[in-house]
Formats: sequence, structure tokens, C-alpha cells
Amino acid sequence: GAGVSQSPSNKVTEKGKDVELRCDPISGHTALYWYRQSLGQGLEFLIYFQGNSAPDKSGLPSDRFSAERTGGSVSTLTIQRTQQEDSAVYLCASSLGPGVAGANVLTFGAGSRLTVL
Amino acid sequence: AQSVTQPDIHITVSEGASLELRCNYSYGATPYLFWYVQSPGQGLQLLLKYFSGDTLVQGIKGFEAEFKRSQSSFNLRKPSVHWSDAAEYFCHYGSSNTGKLIFGQGTTLQVKP
Repeated sequence: GAGVSQSPSNKVTEKGKDVELRCDPISGHTALYWYRQSLGQGLEFLIYFQGNSAPDKSGLPSDRFSAERTGGSVSTLTIQRTQQEDSAVYLCASSLGPGVAGANVLTFGAGSRLTVL
Repeated sequence: AQSVTQPDIHITVSEGASLELRCNYSYGATPYLFWYVQSPGQGLQLLLKYFSGDTLVQGIKGFEAEFKRSQSSFNLRKPSVHWSDAAEYFCHYGSSNTGKLIFGQGTTLQVKP
């Protein structure tokens, strides 16, 4: 697509429920990133996918968080047993990937705002 | 570990005044450096980037940044700030070896009339 698409744009859930957030990157972008932006906080790296390589999961805050990327394109971030501290805007971004001229320039989606009651 | 530090969490400047936002990084390989801006209620937009070559890079909206390897810095500057520049600014680092991209904590800019 023309840009990075994220859904849902807003999600309100109850504590303890599972949520799934979806990201559809720019066609041809091999790198895909998830970041979390909490109120008054910076951008927290969560996970990074590059092509078919094993993802870099070093930023996931707990084992309740997981993500997958099917077919090297669409990615889903899953949060199990949500907690109130999970409330944040979850941003997805994609890029051409390392080693490519103009690589690592991120195009961001509009984000998914998660509110856990 | 690689890190990006923006020492100033919040800066207030008068409209028309000059601006400098600081960014320091630690790295183990040739860095790619970026500044992004996030206006209230808006998504993140790339202001400028440094990959190699000329250490002074020009960006959109009249911004520039200078890469100083000796100081591990990539400070963002603008000679005359406009009210519309009020936003949050993020310094961003990427390694040429890996795709992992790291953001600084962000600096919130307020512009006084």
C-alpha cells in the first residue's frame, strides 16, 4: 500500500483480556518495527522483523507480549492478559531494511491507541 | 549497548529565537542518524537524516543538524523558530550493521509568542 496501515486505531479493553494489533507495512519494505509510546514517554522499541530472519524481540516488556509477521508482510502484535500499564499508543513502522541506500528511514503508521480499563 | 540520549526533556523558546536540541549516542558501528518530529495529534515525520558524507545536513521546515563524531552528537538546529514548530522531537539512531533502530526519549518544544 501507499503507507503503513494500522488497525484498530483505538481499542478499549478490560484488564485480563487479550488484544491483537495489526500492521500492514509498505509493499516492498522488508523491515518492520513495533514501538510503544506511553503518555509522557518516549518511543520504546518492542520488536523488529527483517525479511525471513528471526525477529529481534529484545524490547518486549514481558512474555505477555508476542508478535508475528506472516509472509514477510502483515504483522500482528498480541498482548495477553492485558494490564493497565499496557495502555499506550502502539506504533508500527517499516523501512527498506539495512544495507540498502536510503535504508532505515522509517515510515510510521498512525498508531493503535490501547486503553486497558 | 547502543543508546540515544536527549538530555533536554522540555525546552521553551520565544518565537523567532534560535533553537538547538541536543542528541548524543553511543554506538559500535557507523551510525545512521535521524530526527523525527511529532506534532500534537499527528504521526511521526522525518525531518532529516545523516548516512555519510557532509556532516551538516539540511532537512525540511528549515531545520539542520550536524554530525560530530568526536562528540558523539547529532544536534538539531533552527535559526528562527516558528510557533508551528511546537512539537515533540525525537533523535533516532540506526546501525549500519543491524536494522535495530533506537529512539531518544524525546524533547518537547514549546514556543512562546
